[in-house]
Amino acid sequence: NAGVTQTPKFQVLKTGQSMTLQCAQDMNHEYMSWYRQDPGMGLRLIHYSVGAGITDQGEVPNGYNVSRSTTEDFPLRLLSAAPSQTSVYFCASGPPLYEQYFGPGTRLTVT
Amino acid sequence: GIQVEQSPPDLILQEGANSTLRCNFSDSVNNLQWFHQNPWGQLINLFYIPSGTKQNGRLSATTVATERYSLLYISSSQTTDSGVYFCLYGGATNKLIFGTGTLLAVQP
Repeated sequence: NAGVTQTPKFQVLKTGQSMTLQCAQDMNHEYMSWYRQDPGMGLRLIHYSVGAGITDQGEVPNGYNVSRSTTEDFPLRLLSAAPSQTSVYFCASGPPLYEQYFGPGTRLTVT
Repeated sequence: GIQVEQSPPDLILQEGANSTLRCNFSDSVNNLQWFHQNPWGQLINLFYIPSGTKQNGRLSATTVATERYSLLYISSSQTTDSGVYFCLYGGATNKLIFGTGTLLAVQP
């Protein structure tokens, strides 16, 4: 099992550009989620999904879109990047209400 | 909303010392995990412990659901224990919320 994989590892965007952060898991987990971690801060929940076709908002959803067309993939879309979205993004997966496993993170800088 | 507070926010220890980290949550618990974020940013699973007590080597954890807190014990600390410790809380909803974190520095 590769576990939870995230691509890219690093990304630099200009303000207003769009991009998609990819997250994939091969453990057949129903629950997937996205968090952001700003420098020196804790992790905040952006969006989560309890299964294919079902997504919901977390603590800080503004500026981000998600979809869940398959069990394996949960991409995070930034439609118009802003400097305030400079952060490290972590994806996680796990059985609902059970142990969650985190990917290695994507470090995003918006200039 | 749900509050997940950790204490202390910062902790400096000498190698070999013991420590207790606390995670308080404001509602009933269905999911509680402890993570160590190492200096490279990786989140390492330590314990899944929505109730009861578990031990793994020098680390152990206890969650008292009725009192709405969880404790992480680190004994005989080593410099490699340095980093940030987070609890991850899940309650009645499907949202999993991180605690505020404890920054641990173990000095040789």
